[in-house]
Amino acid sequence: GQQVMQIPQYQHVQEGEDFTTYCNSSTTLSNIQWYKQRPGGHPVFLIQLVKSGEVKKQKRLTFQFGEAKKNSSLHITATQTTDVGTYFCAGVSSNDYKLSFGAGTTVTVRA
Amino acid sequence: EAQVTQNPRYLITVTGKKLTVTCSQNMNHEYMSWYRQDPGLGLRQIYYSMNVEVTDKGDVPEGYKVSRKEKRNFPLILESPSPNQTSLYFCASSLPQGEEFFGPGTRLTVL
Repeated sequence: GQQVMQIPQYQHVQEGEDFTTYCNSSTTLSNIQWYKQRPGGHPVFLIQLVKSGEVKKQKRLTFQFGEAKKNSSLHITATQTTDVGTYFCAGVSSNDYKLSFGAGTTVTVRA
Repeated sequence: EAQVTQNPRYLITVTGKKLTVTCSQNMNHEYMSWYRQDPGLGLRQIYYSMNVEVTDKGDVPEGYKVSRKEKRNFPLILESPSPNQTSLYFCASSLPQGEEFFGPGTRLTVL
């Protein structure tokens, strides 16, 4: 079945620095979604990418979908304490349209 | 307000005592899912439903049951809970291939 791998599992960032989390699927995706879960909260949808090579921005967050539609990345610039949480990617398989989540990247920020 | 509700939010029980976690959504979504979240493993799908009376196994269905008699409700049933089912459980709903809307979560401890 489809597997979605996400790295790194943990990211410790100095406030003001940039970081990137990566997501790779074993199969081609119909689309990929990104979610953020604050500590003690539930996952909240951030964005969905559908097109090959698509790039979308939300303020300091930049999301990319690979040309082969098998990988994606989330880049955060000038990290702030409000960025703390776990970021999940979730891929929708182009074979059976099932949604599979990566294990998440948990981000902590040093002030 | 569009939302997914789960009850109870916290539950401590003993091995073998049947329990049900309720889930309800008010967005008229066709798709509903149950996930469990464990440290380092991300969100793993237990069961999903694409419409009323249509349910299917996710990645970790053993020890769980579900039913979808009405569009808005998708209860999760543990007939004989065991300690390895201690976890954080999320219900979610969505439109086909759309974003998942998550409930607030149910923290279950099985002694």
